[in-house]
Amino acid sequence: DAGITQSPRHKVTETGTPVTLRCHQTENHRYMYWYRQDPGHGLRLIHYSYGVKDTDKGEVSDGYSVSRSKTEDFLLTLESATSSQTSVYFCAIRKGLAGDTGELFFGEGSRLTVL
Amino acid sequence: GQNIDQPTEMTATEGAIVQINCTYQTSGFNGLFWYQQHAGEAPTFLSYNVLDGLEEKGRFSSFLSRSKGYSYLLLKELQMKDSASYLCAVRDDYKLSFGAGTTVTVRA
Repeated sequence: DAGITQSPRHKVTETGTPVTLRCHQTENHRYMYWYRQDPGHGLRLIHYSYGVKDTDKGEVSDGYSVSRSKTEDFLLTLESATSSQTSVYFCAIRKGLAGDTGELFFGEGSRLTVL
Repeated sequence: GQNIDQPTEMTATEGAIVQINCTYQTSGFNGLFWYQQHAGEAPTFLSYNVLDGLEEKGRFSSFLSRSKGYSYLLLKELQMKDSASYLCAVRDDYKLSFGAGTTVTVRA
């Protein structure tokens, strides 16, 4: 158990509304990631963070923003949700301890439906 | 850019062996991972290769050839619980890039 909690786990919203997904970790690891998973595309990186207030874009960052004001929380925001953002969103952490291979540990996922 | 290819689906019989291939063309390489993902669940780590050769872990083995940009995951003595998606991922500095996944169905 890597101590990762995602919330909400399920959300249905309407096009044009803002949505924020939260990823919380209990072990104070430096690296945190947001991926989305869609049939036929696998997991695609949206944004990642390598420390408090240090974030960078992934391959599918358009329409998403992130914030990390404290080590334990990494927030993903859809400013104005669109139907193309209907997906399952996974948060992941990298422990970065001695002998770290770069392995990611995933949260349980947040299923977002945009109507 | 990253290009990671693996078959979409495979079917095998309980007790058999299945080999899932993964080919990659990436801008950087710091290791290759295999993850297992059951339907509706999070991916979980199976194996890691950074040097050429075979890594064995119980019924699962993973092979890497860096010069060929090729890896495979070998599942032996298949069990019904092995029905899942298997994700190939390549590490590039801070992040992992994933293939689309291979859905393995084990039949009795």
